[in-house]
Amino acid sequence: GAVVSQHPSRVICKSGTSVKIECRSLDFQATTMFWYRQFPKQSLMLMATSNEGSKATYEQGVEKDKFLINHASLTLSTLTVTSAHPEDSSFYICSARGRGGSTDTQYFGPGTRLTVL
Amino acid sequence: EDKVVQSPLSLVVHEGDTVTLNCSYEVTNFRSLLWYKQEKKAPTFLFMLTSSGIEKKSGRLSSILDKKELFSILNITATQTGDSAVYLCAVGGYSGGSNYKLTFGKGTLLTVNP
Repeated sequence: GAVVSQHPSRVICKSGTSVKIECRSLDFQATTMFWYRQFPKQSLMLMATSNEGSKATYEQGVEKDKFLINHASLTLSTLTVTSAHPEDSSFYICSARGRGGSTDTQYFGPGTRLTVL
Repeated sequence: EDKVVQSPLSLVVHEGDTVTLNCSYEVTNFRSLLWYKQEKKAPTFLFMLTSSGIEKKSGRLSSILDKKELFSILNITATQTGDSAVYLCAVGGYSGGSNYKLTFGKGTLLTVNP
């Protein structure tokens, strides 16, 4: 299957700082990338959808000014958690959906575990 | 609102048993149903189903979709301890026009004991 990488895999930061997470599709062009958040023992919750070159579409209840998403190229999307607080601690996972072939399949990155102290 | 319901939420079996995991859904403008396996990290893709009645197989895993009943099952035969994981069902649809997205169920936690 297609390969999606995420960096960093784990980050611990102080309350009030900003954290940037990168998501890259390594062997295909991702026309759309998705950002999910997963709390312990819960399912994935979609935060936002980003299409290359356009503004992200946020799900209801997700603050767009707090979770900044940039999808500047067909292989890279970034999520910046601004002024992080302990309640933002979670597992953040990106997925990418390519053009051509099976475009419905989303391939997931390995996830980033964020801990805000 | 789109909804995906998986059952059971958890299941404990012995090696060699066969298990069936269930997924029912209500999704606007259904396009596809996907099964993922999640161990300690992010989900890994298993199957994508778009048509009713066509079984997809990969080794000991198989899955089928019933679009009339809005239902899918994932079967695992001759289970092994390495099958222990959370199995996620996700349904892709177009809500609000052109926004395609996956809606995930809560998952089934499968534990296979030796």
